[in-house]
Amino acid sequence: GENVEQHPSTLSVQEGDSAVIKCTYSDSASNYFPWYKQELGKRPQLIIDIRSNVGEKKDQRIAVTLNKTAKHFSLHITETQPEDSAVYFCAAINEGTSYDKVIFGPGTSLSVIP
Amino acid sequence: DAGITQSPRHKVTETGTPVTLRCHQTENHRYMYWYRQDPGHGLRLIHYSYGVKDTDKGEVSDGYSVSRSKTEDFLLTLESATSSQTSVYFCAIGWDGGSNQPQHFGDGTRLSIL
Repeated sequence: GENVEQHPSTLSVQEGDSAVIKCTYSDSASNYFPWYKQELGKRPQLIIDIRSNVGEKKDQRIAVTLNKTAKHFSLHITETQPEDSAVYFCAAINEGTSYDKVIFGPGTSLSVIP
Repeated sequence: DAGITQSPRHKVTETGTPVTLRCHQTENHRYMYWYRQDPGHGLRLIHYSYGVKDTDKGEVSDGYSVSRSKTEDFLLTLESATSSQTSVYFCAIGWDGGSNQPQHFGDGTRLSIL
C-alpha cells in the first residue's frame, strides 16, 4: 500500500542551529503536503503546507521544500528555539480524493537543547 | 482555532465494557475523522464520515463503530473495549469537497482500558 517514510525519528540540536526533517512518499498522485507540530500532550497543529505546483514555501523560521521527481519533501527550521521542541508529522495527500487517503509519517521527535 | 470539542478528555474503563467518545464541531464541515495515536505508529485512521449518516472505514476499523446523526456530532464506539484499544484518540475535520481545507484536530481523548 501507499506509505510515507520520515527521517530521522529523533533529532537533537543546539539552540540556534537548524533542523531538517525529510519525508518520502510513494503515491505519485499526492499533491498536497502538510506538516503538523505536536507538543507533548497536545493536539497536532498545522504549521506549514505546500502544494505540488510550488517547490518551496517559507514562513518566518520554517520552510518546506518539495522534490516531486524524487517524491520527497523536507521541513527546515532555522534558528531553533526551545519552544520548537515537539513531534513533527508530515503527510502526503491526493486532494482529488477525500482525506481517508491521508498517509501520515510516523513522526520526528525534535529536542532543542538550550 | 477550529471549533472542535472532544469528550471525555480522559477515561479509564475495564475490558469488555462499552465506551463512546464524542466529537462536536461548530465549523459545519462535511468531513469528520477519528484517528488513534500510538507510540511508533503516528496517526492512524479508524473511521471517517462524509455527511450525516454517511460513514466509511479507515485503516484500523476493527472493533470500532461510528455514527453521525447530525453534521456537528461524530461518535466513536468501542462495543466491548480491549486493552489493545488503550490509546489517544483524535477527532479531525477538513476537506470540504475540494475546498483545499487542511485538517484540524481536536484536543484528544486519552483512553485507558484495564
